[in-house]
Amino acid sequence: QSALTQPASVSGSPGQSITISCTGTSSDVGSYNLVSWYQQHPGKAPKLMIYEVSKRPSGVSNRFSGSKSGNTASLTISGLQAEDEADYYCCSYAGSSSVVFGGGTKLTVL
Amino acid sequence: EVQLVESGGGLVQPGRSLRLSCTASGFTFGDYAMSWVRQAPGKGLEWVGFIRSKAYGGTTEYAASVKGRFTISRDDSKSIAYLQMNSLKTEDTAVYYCTRVLVYRYYFDYWGQGTLVTVSS
Repeated sequence: QSALTQPASVSGSPGQSITISCTGTSSDVGSYNLVSWYQQHPGKAPKLMIYEVSKRPSGVSNRFSGSKSGNTASLTISGLQAEDEADYYCCSYAGSSSVVFGGGTKLTVL
Repeated sequence: EVQLVESGGGLVQPGRSLRLSCTASGFTFGDYAMSWVRQAPGKGLEWVGFIRSKAYGGTTEYAASVKGRFTISRDDSKSIAYLQMNSLKTEDTAVYYCTRVLVYRYYFDYWGQGTLVTVSS
């Protein structure tokens, strides 16, 4: 499968909201509510932020939210904070017991 | 506290083999599927494969890029998952992360710190 499509970079000022899109196809994002999002700070392991499109694991701030429409999933971060600056990756089930990641988005907090 | 610790990375020549280990603690290892995800230097995440728990047959699935070369196995008595990598190519150079994966829900809820594999002559 081809990687999901994410913008290379997004930016926002502290306190603002930003949205990162993740575009797939009708064979992955569009067919399953099995989209997850991961945050990765430089030199660190990824961290699960959202699973099953819009569910938040325990301990993840409610400033992070997820949604999906058609073949595109989105991650929204509200009340942007300096510590949110990181790379973000989406991931979707792609059928036949496989998963596919997005190319990643670098979030810069101005 | 869930912990996943990878080991076994290093420098290896193209065409050779390497085995990575992932030692788990803080949860009942045998109840969970385990997966490997890699990240080439400066690049994004790429799913490598996973192994289901014995309750789901202990079967494995692999990405097309590694199928036939990589094998994932597990030893539930030691709480260790393995990634056997054969016929290594320079493009397999990456940090390899061990993750816990929720079977049939396909998300990775815990990650190890990663181990670097460099394939070069």
